Amino acid sequence: NAGVTQTPKFQVLKTGQSMTLQCAQDMNHEYMSWYRQDPGMGLRLIHYSVGAGITDQGEVPNGYNVSRSTTEDFPLRLLSAAPSQTSVYFCASRLGRTEAFFGQGTRLTVV
Amino acid sequence: GIQVEQSPPDLILQEGANSTLRCNFSDSVNNLQWFHQNPWGQLINLFYIPSGTKQNGRLSATTVATERYSLLYISSSQTTDSGVYFCAVGRPKAAGNKLTFGGGTRVLVKP
Repeated sequence: NAGVTQTPKFQVLKTGQSMTLQCAQDMNHEYMSWYRQDPGMGLRLIHYSVGAGITDQGEVPNGYNVSRSTTEDFPLRLLSAAPSQTSVYFCASRLGRTEAFFGQGTRLTVV
Repeated sequence: GIQVEQSPPDLILQEGANSTLRCNFSDSVNNLQWFHQNPWGQLINLFYIPSGTKQNGRLSATTVATERYSLLYISSSQTTDSGVYFCAVGRPKAAGNKLTFGGGTRVLVKP
């Protein structure tokens, strides 16, 4: 039981490049979400999913896309990276409105 | 939206000391979690405690939901307790089961 697994752990992108942050969970949780953590701003919700095929926007969705084709996977796509997207990204999953579990985080730098 | 305030913002402890961290929130919640973010950036689940009291080794937590606060107690602190402690809350029917994080308490335990 690995919990929530994020890859990669570190990434450097050039402005305008695209990439996908991967998130997988093996706990059969229906809720999955992506947060970003910025200094002085805590964690903010980007996108979330309440089950396979269902996604919705959080507080700061601009510049990001998500999809949920399976229960296990919830990738986050940056279509055209900008320096403002430099941040630490966390994926989380939970069963209903119970305890949330977070991945190890991805530290992204956009230059 | 709901406001989550943590105090104190910074705490310096001598190894072996006890401490209390506080989390105040501005509205009713049905989810409250305490996390420890270690120096490597990982978010470690400490407690899922929407109400009541729980203990896990040297750590314990109490949430008084009717008075809108939660306390995290660290006893006999160790250098490995250093890091940032976050309180996060969830409101009933919040979209995406969103967690709202407080600003954190940065703890440094000196040997």
